[in-house]
Amino acid sequence: DIQMTQSPPSLSASVGDRVTITCRASQAISNWLGWYQQKPGKAPKSLIYSASSLQSGAPSRFSGSKSGTEFTLTINSLQPEDIATYYCQQYKSYPYTFGQGTKVEIK
Amino acid sequence: EVQLVESGGGLVQPGGSLRLSCAASGFIFSNSAINWVRQAPGKGLEWVSAISGSGSTTDYADSVKGRFTISRDNSKETLYLQMSSLRVEDTAVYSCLVRVPSGFAYWGQGTLVTVSS
Repeated sequence: DIQMTQSPPSLSASVGDRVTITCRASQAISNWLGWYQQKPGKAPKSLIYSASSLQSGAPSRFSGSKSGTEFTLTINSLQPEDIATYYCQQYKSYPYTFGQGTKVEIK
Repeated sequence: EVQLVESGGGLVQPGGSLRLSCAASGFIFSNSAINWVRQAPGKGLEWVSAISGSGSTTDYADSVKGRFTISRDNSKETLYLQMSSLRVEDTAVYSCLVRVPSGFAYWGQGTLVTVSS
């Protein structure tokens, strides 16, 4: 199985800050990676697919990048509505594993 | 508009069975692979199972293999998850999600399964 190691588990940042979340895959997954935002009591919402493509309707302050087996979600200029837990997921091969999640809070 | 609506959750005793349904609309159902994902209370996301558009190929997480069965009725545009030999650790919100060219863009709201005596 492909393991996804996500960091940090949580972070606190100020409004307007640039925030980065990282996921490392245990083996090559090409670009088969998605990023999701989940707010309390709500279903996850897709932000990024194919490692770096912005999902329709997602704010442009969200971006994704890849370097080898390391994937990064960047939030440029953190907004109060970005308070949520973020997950990565590989969908190269079953089981489609998720990262452990990163809880983002406002400082 | 793509819609995925899960139903069938509830309270069941350990060792019991339950069948979840996911009614879909707004996309070509028979062409689409659909997955089940679950989230235990206060925990992260766990992929559970997947089925191809034709229903000929299925996959399961090791944690549910041999106990859960995924199936679909393309004429009714509905996905199913038959769960048996349920354990306390199967307690979670179960959600269906459809894979489209832009990844897993669509998720249902989920249905809560509680396994408790």
